[in-house]
Amino acid sequence: SQQGEEDPQALSIQEGENATMNCSYKTSINNLQWYRQNSGRGLVHLILIRSNEREKHSGRLRVTLDTSKKSSSLLITASRAADTASYFCATDDFGQGAQKLVFGQGTRLTINP
Amino acid sequence: NAGVTQTPKFQVLKTGQSMTLQCAQDMNHEYMSWYRQDPGMGLRLIHYSVGAGITDQGEVPNGYNVSRSTTEDFPLRLLSAAPSQTSVYFCASSRTGQWGLGDIQYFGAGTRLSVL
Repeated sequence: SQQGEEDPQALSIQEGENATMNCSYKTSINNLQWYRQNSGRGLVHLILIRSNEREKHSGRLRVTLDTSKKSSSLLITASRAADTASYFCATDDFGQGAQKLVFGQGTRLTINP
Repeated sequence: NAGVTQTPKFQVLKTGQSMTLQCAQDMNHEYMSWYRQDPGMGLRLIHYSVGAGITDQGEVPNGYNVSRSTTEDFPLRLLSAAPSQTSVYFCASSRTGQWGLGDIQYFGAGTRLSVL
C-alpha cells in the first residue's frame, strides 16, 4: 500500500505565484524526500528532510515536516514555467526495517505563463 | 558518468511473450530497484537488490523476475507478458539504500511498455 499520499493531485497556477504541495504518510519514518519528474523523464531528487528537522530550504524550495501529523509540505516560491512537473514525496518505512523507499501518487504542477 | 541507463526506451509485446528490461549503473551503487508507474498509482516498487547476489520483493512482484549477478546490472524479466503489465518502468540506484542515513535514489529515463 502507498505510504505517502500527495495533495492536491493537480495544481495549476500563474508564473510568479507560490505553489504548495502536501504529503501525508502512515508510519514512522527516518526521513522524507521530495522528487520531481518532468514529462517523459525519470525522477530527480530535490530535497531530503530528516525526522528531527521541522523545516529545510534549498533555493526556491522550502520543505516542512510535522511528524506528529505525519505530514510534509513542499513550497516552491516565485514559480517559473520550468517548474511544470510532477512532484512526489518518498519515505522509508522505519517500522518495517526493510530497505524500501515508498513513493506517493504525486502532484502534477502546471505553471501558466 | 552515464548514471542509470535503461534499455529499451519503448517496447510493444504480445500477450504471452517474454522480454528483459535492461538496467545498468556506473556509479558503483550497491542498491538497485525497479518501479512501475501507472496513471493515478504513482510509483510502485517491484523488486530491489541491496548488492550482487541479493534480491527481494517489493510491493508488486508478481509476474516479474530479477537477478543481480554484478553490481552494475539489474535486469527485470517478464516471463509471460500480460496486458496488466502495460506501464512505464523505472530503474533506480542508490549508494546503499540506507534511507535513514540520508541516501537518495537516481533514476533512469524509463521504459514504456505496451502489452497487447
